[in-house]
Amino acid sequence: DSGVTQTPKHLITATGQRVTLRCSPRSGDLSVYWYQQSLDQGLQFLIQYYNGEERAKGNILERFSAQQFPDLHSELNLSSLELGDSALYFCASSVGGQVLMGGYTFGSGTRLTVV
Amino acid sequence: AQKVTQAQTEISVVEKEDVTLDCVYETRDTTYYLFWYKQPPSGELVFLIRRNSFDEQNEISGRYSWNFQKSTSSFNFTITASQVVDSAVYFCALSELGGGSQGNLIFGKGTKLSVKP
Repeated sequence: DSGVTQTPKHLITATGQRVTLRCSPRSGDLSVYWYQQSLDQGLQFLIQYYNGEERAKGNILERFSAQQFPDLHSELNLSSLELGDSALYFCASSVGGQVLMGGYTFGSGTRLTVV
Repeated sequence: AQKVTQAQTEISVVEKEDVTLDCVYETRDTTYYLFWYKQPPSGELVFLIRRNSFDEQNEISGRYSWNFQKSTSSFNFTITASQVVDSAVYFCALSELGGGSQGNLIFGKGTKLSVKP
């Protein structure tokens, strides 16, 4: 167990729908990162939050949004889903805003299937 | 721009063979971190190693060893006496610490290693 908890593990939904993926970081970690792993694009960084504030943005679509709550858990919201959004979504956490400041731990991922 | 290239898409070996997975990176920063992760068929990402740009010393951990060469921008990973349990996709990744980067990782496309009994 990495200490980073992602729920749900699997999600199947229809095109056009909206889903929310949840991530609880490892205890003591303030930073949460979201990644998408798809067959086409590989593993891509989406967005990072540090202590409740957005810190960095990667290749995140406008249909996607995220937030980090006061208890430091994070949610990734995916809306107007398309078939191409089917992917494995990973959350990672670290102590500080940069990977320098300690470990960088991934959760086990949420597999999203859009049908 | 930063980039990680894993030229080997798939490698197949027979158990007990040694195998080297190549990783070449591009970055303009002088301060950065390099990583290797293993993704077994179950899908999770398993951390293997982190190396900072100031430490070119090679590392060995059991059957695993890593060769970091800044002169060629490479960070290769060798598995000695491979085992069936080593079958997985292996990812090399880069993280820069300057220029506003906040530690996000840039991954290579991965190398799928199949170890046959």
